[in-house]
Amino acid sequence: KNQVEQSPQSLIILEGKNCTLQCNYTVSPFSNLRWYKQDTGRGPVSLTIMTFSENTKSNGRYTATLDADTKQSSLHITASQLSDSASYICVVRRFGNEKLTFGTGTRLTIIP
Amino acid sequence: EADIYQTPRYLVIGTGKKITLECSQTMGHDKMYWYQQDPGMELHLIHYSYGVNSTEKGDLSSESTVSRIRTEHFPLTLESARPSHTSQYLCASSEGTGTNTIYFGEGSWLTVV
Repeated sequence: KNQVEQSPQSLIILEGKNCTLQCNYTVSPFSNLRWYKQDTGRGPVSLTIMTFSENTKSNGRYTATLDADTKQSSLHITASQLSDSASYICVVRRFGNEKLTFGTGTRLTIIP
Repeated sequence: EADIYQTPRYLVIGTGKKITLECSQTMGHDKMYWYQQDPGMELHLIHYSYGVNSTEKGDLSSESTVSRIRTEHFPLTLESARPSHTSQYLCASSEGTGTNTIYFGEGSWLTVV
């Protein structure tokens, strides 16, 4: 069982709308959590990196939140654009070693 | 913009052939990684290197091998490709560990027929 679970598996929204993607993890001990954007057929690109002491981090229209107590994170996308269509991957690093655990991603499709 | 490059981007080869996937980065990063990703699935670490002449196997068992003779170069080799090796292979690098960003290449799509 994957220790990083993402929901929904896929999402379709209209251009201009907002959306929120969820990530729940059981990786322990926790070091940091990352959100990546992966366009179809391309490599992942880093959006945010958050440690346990950070609750919110923004990168343009992307805002990530982290609740280390409940082991949950979310990625909020504001005023979506067609170029936001991609898979969004949640990644958790375990404290003490190099191990990264990847979620299977949320496939987001923005339609005009 | 990440300066990490993979070639080839797409490759279709026959069973039993030897292939090498190339990966180079110009950022001077000591740490480099190879991940395998099947469509719709999560990334799995198959090899990593912390510097020249240092290579380790990752979490996912792989029949591939890697070498790190130069800091900027981290090629992956399959001596005898099989259809089960069909997948996307992603190379990555980072300056350090902890909260350092991991930069990914564009990926190499391998199809073995």
